[in-house]
Amino acid sequence: NAGVMQNPRHLVRRRGQEARLRCSPMKGHSHVYWYRQLPEEGLKFMVYLQKENIIDESGMPKERFSAEFPKEGPSILRIQQVVRGDSAAYFCASSELPMGTNEKLFFGSGTQLSVL
Amino acid sequence: KNEVEQSPQNLTAQEGEFITINCSYSVGISALHWLQQHPGGGIVSLFMLSSGKKKHGRLIATINIQEKHSSLHITASHPRDSAVYICAVRGLQGAQKLVFGQGTRLTINP
Repeated sequence: NAGVMQNPRHLVRRRGQEARLRCSPMKGHSHVYWYRQLPEEGLKFMVYLQKENIIDESGMPKERFSAEFPKEGPSILRIQQVVRGDSAAYFCASSELPMGTNEKLFFGSGTQLSVL
Repeated sequence: KNEVEQSPQNLTAQEGEFITINCSYSVGISALHWLQQHPGGGIVSLFMLSSGKKKHGRLIATINIQEKHSSLHITASHPRDSAVYICAVRGLQGAQKLVFGQGTRLTINP
Protein backbone atom coordinates (compact mmCIF):
# COMPACT_ATOMS: atom_id res chain seq x y z
CA ASN A 1 0.00 0.00 0.00
CA ALA A 2 1.80 3.06 -1.29
CA GLY A 3 0.22 5.61 1.02
CA VAL A 4 -1.25 8.91 -0.06
CA MET A 5 0.54 10.12 -3.19
CA GLN A 6 0.64 13.75 -4.17
CA ASN A 7 2.16 15.14 -7.31
CA PRO A 8 3.89 17.13 -8.33
CA ARG A 9 6.05 17.63 -5.26
CA HIS A 10 6.98 21.13 -6.41
CA LEU A 11 5.07 23.25 -8.92
CA VAL A 12 6.16 26.60 -10.25
CA ARG A 13 3.66 28.78 -12.06
CA ARG A 14 3.65 32.34 -13.34
CA ARG A 15 0.88 34.70 -12.34
CA GLY A 16 -2.25 34.01 -14.39
CA GLN A 17 -1.45 30.38 -15.16
CA GLU A 18 -3.41 27.40 -13.93
CA ALA A 19 -2.17 24.98 -11.28
CA ARG A 20 -3.42 21.40 -11.03
CA LEU A 21 -2.51 19.43 -7.93
CA ARG A 22 -3.14 15.70 -7.78
CA CYS A 23 -3.83 13.42 -4.85
CA SER A 24 -4.17 9.66 -5.01
CA PRO A 25 -5.59 8.41 -1.71
CA MET A 26 -4.56 5.18 -0.06
CA LYS A 27 -6.06 2.09 -1.62
CA GLY A 28 -9.58 1.58 -0.35
CA HIS A 29 -9.95 5.15 0.91
CA SER A 30 -12.87 7.07 -0.51
CA HIS A 31 -12.63 10.20 1.67
CA VAL A 32 -10.21 12.96 0.69
CA TYR A 33 -9.38 16.21 2.47
CA TRP A 34 -7.34 19.12 1.12
CA TYR A 35 -5.47 21.53 3.39
CA ARG A 36 -3.34 24.59 2.68
CA GLN A 37 -0.33 25.78 4.65
CA LEU A 38 0.62 29.37 3.87
CA PRO A 39 4.19 30.46 4.68
CA GLU A 40 4.66 30.89 8.43
CA GLU A 41 1.01 29.97 9.05
CA GLY A 42 -0.79 26.89 10.29
CA LEU A 43 -2.69 24.40 8.21
CA LYS A 44 -6.17 25.40 7.06
CA PHE A 45 -8.95 23.12 5.88
CA MET A 46 -10.04 23.67 2.29
CA VAL A 47 -12.39 20.94 1.11
CA TYR A 48 -13.68 17.45 1.92
CA LEU A 49 -14.69 15.11 -0.89
CA GLN A 50 -16.06 11.63 -1.19
CA LYS A 51 -15.98 9.79 -4.49
CA GLU A 52 -17.68 12.07 -7.06
CA ASN A 53 -19.10 14.37 -4.37
CA ILE A 54 -17.99 17.57 -2.67
CA ILE A 55 -19.21 17.28 0.92
CA ASP A 56 -17.76 20.41 2.56
CA GLU A 57 -16.03 23.20 0.64
CA SER A 58 -16.35 25.82 3.35
CA GLY A 59 -12.60 26.44 3.40
CA MET A 60 -12.22 27.01 -0.33
CA PRO A 61 -11.81 30.55 -1.66
CA LYS A 62 -14.95 31.45 -3.57
CA GLU A 63 -13.18 32.19 -6.83
CA ARG A 64 -10.51 30.45 -8.90
CA PHE A 65 -10.35 27.31 -6.74
CA SER A 66 -12.13 24.05 -7.49
CA ALA A 67 -11.76 20.42 -6.46
CA GLU A 68 -12.97 17.12 -7.76
CA PHE A 69 -12.67 13.45 -6.89
CA PRO A 70 -13.88 11.45 -9.88
CA LYS A 71 -15.00 7.84 -9.81
CA GLU A 72 -11.73 6.85 -11.45
CA GLY A 73 -8.41 8.58 -10.91
CA PRO A 74 -6.96 10.97 -8.39
CA SER A 75 -8.53 13.92 -6.64
CA ILE A 76 -7.60 17.20 -8.33
CA LEU A 77 -7.29 20.62 -6.74
CA ARG A 78 -7.37 23.22 -9.49
CA ILE A 79 -6.36 26.84 -9.10
CA GLN A 80 -7.08 29.10 -12.04
CA GLN A 81 -5.27 32.37 -12.75
CA VAL A 82 -2.84 31.91 -9.88
CA VAL A 83 -1.62 34.90 -7.90
CA ARG A 84 1.43 35.23 -5.65
CA GLY A 85 -0.76 34.79 -2.57
CA ASP A 86 -1.56 31.25 -3.69
CA SER A 87 2.05 30.23 -3.00
CA ALA A 88 1.77 27.63 -0.25
CA ALA A 89 2.10 23.97 0.58
CA TYR A 90 -1.03 22.03 -0.29
CA PHE A 91 -1.61 18.79 1.60
CA CYS A 92 -4.03 16.02 0.89
CA ALA A 93 -5.19 13.43 3.41
CA SER A 94 -7.39 10.41 3.06
CA SER A 95 -9.40 8.06 5.25
CA GLU A 96 -11.28 4.83 4.69
CA LEU A 97 -14.39 6.07 6.48
CA PRO A 98 -15.60 9.56 7.46
CA MET A 99 -13.59 10.94 10.34
CA GLY A 100 -15.13 9.45 13.45
CA THR A 101 -13.75 8.85 16.87
CA ASN A 102 -11.54 6.00 15.67
CA GLU A 103 -10.67 7.04 12.16
CA LYS A 104 -7.03 7.83 11.37
CA LEU A 105 -6.00 10.31 8.73
CA PHE A 106 -3.15 9.57 6.35
CA PHE A 107 -1.37 12.53 4.79
CA GLY A 108 0.48 12.96 1.54
CA SER A 109 3.87 14.68 1.35
CA GLY A 110 2.32 17.84 -0.03
CA THR A 111 2.73 19.95 -3.15
CA GLN A 112 4.73 23.15 -2.77
CA LEU A 113 3.25 25.71 -5.15
CA SER A 114 5.38 28.72 -6.00
CA VAL A 115 3.87 31.53 -8.03
CA LEU A 116 6.38 33.84 -9.73
CA LYS B 1 -7.96 34.66 19.33
CA ASN B 2 -7.45 31.37 17.48
CA GLU B 3 -9.77 28.50 18.27
CA VAL B 4 -6.71 26.30 18.89
CA GLU B 5 -3.69 27.65 20.74
CA GLN B 6 -0.44 25.78 21.25
CA SER B 7 2.40 26.51 23.62
CA PRO B 8 5.23 26.93 23.44
CA GLN B 9 5.70 28.05 19.83
CA ASN B 10 9.33 26.99 19.89
CA LEU B 11 11.07 24.56 22.21
CA THR B 12 14.73 23.59 22.32
CA ALA B 13 15.92 20.86 24.66
CA GLN B 14 18.80 18.48 25.20
CA GLU B 15 18.65 14.84 24.26
CA GLY B 16 17.04 12.79 26.99
CA GLU B 17 14.84 15.55 28.40
CA PHE B 18 11.12 15.08 29.06
CA ILE B 19 9.12 17.25 26.65
CA THR B 20 5.61 18.68 27.08
CA ILE B 21 3.67 20.51 24.40
CA ASN B 22 0.32 22.03 25.28
CA CYS B 23 -2.84 22.62 23.29
CA SER B 24 -5.88 24.61 24.40
CA TYR B 25 -9.06 25.02 22.41
CA SER B 26 -12.16 27.14 22.82
CA VAL B 27 -14.89 25.13 21.06
CA GLY B 28 -16.72 21.88 21.74
CA ILE B 29 -14.97 19.04 20.01
CA SER B 30 -15.55 15.41 19.14
CA ALA B 31 -11.86 14.55 18.75
CA LEU B 32 -8.38 16.03 18.97
CA HIS B 33 -5.46 15.03 16.75
CA TRP B 34 -1.74 15.36 17.31
CA LEU B 35 0.32 15.49 14.13
CA GLN B 36 4.04 15.55 13.46
CA GLN B 37 5.45 17.52 10.53
CA HIS B 38 8.96 16.57 9.57
CA PRO B 39 11.56 19.07 8.34
CA GLY B 40 10.93 17.80 4.80
CA GLY B 41 7.27 18.77 5.16
CA GLY B 42 5.59 15.36 5.42
CA ILE B 43 2.83 15.02 8.03
CA VAL B 44 2.20 11.97 10.18
CA SER B 45 -0.81 11.44 12.41
CA LEU B 46 0.41 10.53 15.91
CA PHE B 47 -2.76 10.31 17.99
CA MET B 48 -6.47 10.86 17.86
CA LEU B 49 -8.11 11.39 21.24
CA SER B 50 -11.62 11.94 22.45
CA SER B 51 -10.94 11.29 26.13
CA GLY B 52 -8.29 10.14 28.57
CA LYS B 53 -4.81 9.18 27.55
CA LYS B 54 -2.99 7.30 24.79
CA LYS B 55 0.57 6.02 24.65
CA HIS B 56 2.70 4.92 21.74
CA GLY B 57 6.34 4.19 22.41
CA ARG B 58 7.90 7.29 23.96
CA LEU B 59 4.91 9.46 23.12
CA ILE B 60 1.98 10.08 25.46
CA ALA B 61 -1.06 12.22 24.71
CA THR B 62 -3.65 13.29 27.25
CA ILE B 63 -6.84 15.26 26.97
CA ASN B 64 -9.08 16.97 29.54
CA ILE B 65 -12.41 17.66 27.86
CA GLN B 66 -13.77 19.77 30.74
CA GLU B 67 -10.74 22.05 30.70
CA LYS B 68 -10.47 22.00 26.88
CA HIS B 69 -6.80 21.12 27.08
CA SER B 70 -4.49 18.46 25.72
CA SER B 71 -0.82 17.71 26.22
CA LEU B 72 1.70 15.77 24.18
CA HIS B 73 4.63 14.35 26.13
CA ILE B 74 7.85 12.86 24.78
CA THR B 75 9.96 10.83 27.18
CA ALA B 76 13.72 10.34 26.67
CA SER B 77 13.74 12.79 23.77
CA HIS B 78 16.06 12.18 20.84
CA PRO B 79 17.30 14.43 18.01
CA ARG B 80 15.10 12.49 15.57
CA ASP B 81 12.09 13.84 17.50
CA SER B 82 12.92 17.29 16.12
CA ALA B 83 9.88 18.34 14.13
CA VAL B 84 6.84 20.60 14.25
CA TYR B 85 4.05 19.16 16.39
CA ILE B 86 0.55 20.24 15.47
CA CYS B 87 -2.67 19.99 17.45
CA ALA B 88 -5.95 19.88 15.51
CA VAL B 89 -9.55 19.60 16.68
CA ARG B 90 -12.66 18.29 15.02
CA GLY B 91 -15.97 19.89 15.91
CA LEU B 92 -19.17 18.30 17.11
CA GLN B 93 -22.10 16.78 15.24
CA GLY B 94 -20.32 14.93 12.50
CA ALA B 95 -18.02 17.78 11.52
CA GLN B 96 -15.33 16.58 9.13
CA LYS B 97 -13.05 19.59 9.01
CA LEU B 98 -10.07 19.99 11.30
CA VAL B 99 -9.07 23.29 12.89
CA PHE B 100 -5.33 23.45 13.45
CA GLY B 101 -3.04 25.10 15.96
CA GLN B 102 -0.02 27.03 14.76
CA GLY B 103 2.34 24.23 15.66
CA THR B 104 5.23 23.87 18.10
CA ARG B 105 8.70 23.68 16.61
CA LEU B 106 10.74 21.21 18.70
CA THR B 107 14.51 20.97 18.41
CA ILE B 108 16.35 18.30 20.36
CA ASN B 109 20.10 18.84 20.54
CA PRO B 110 22.48 15.89 20.97
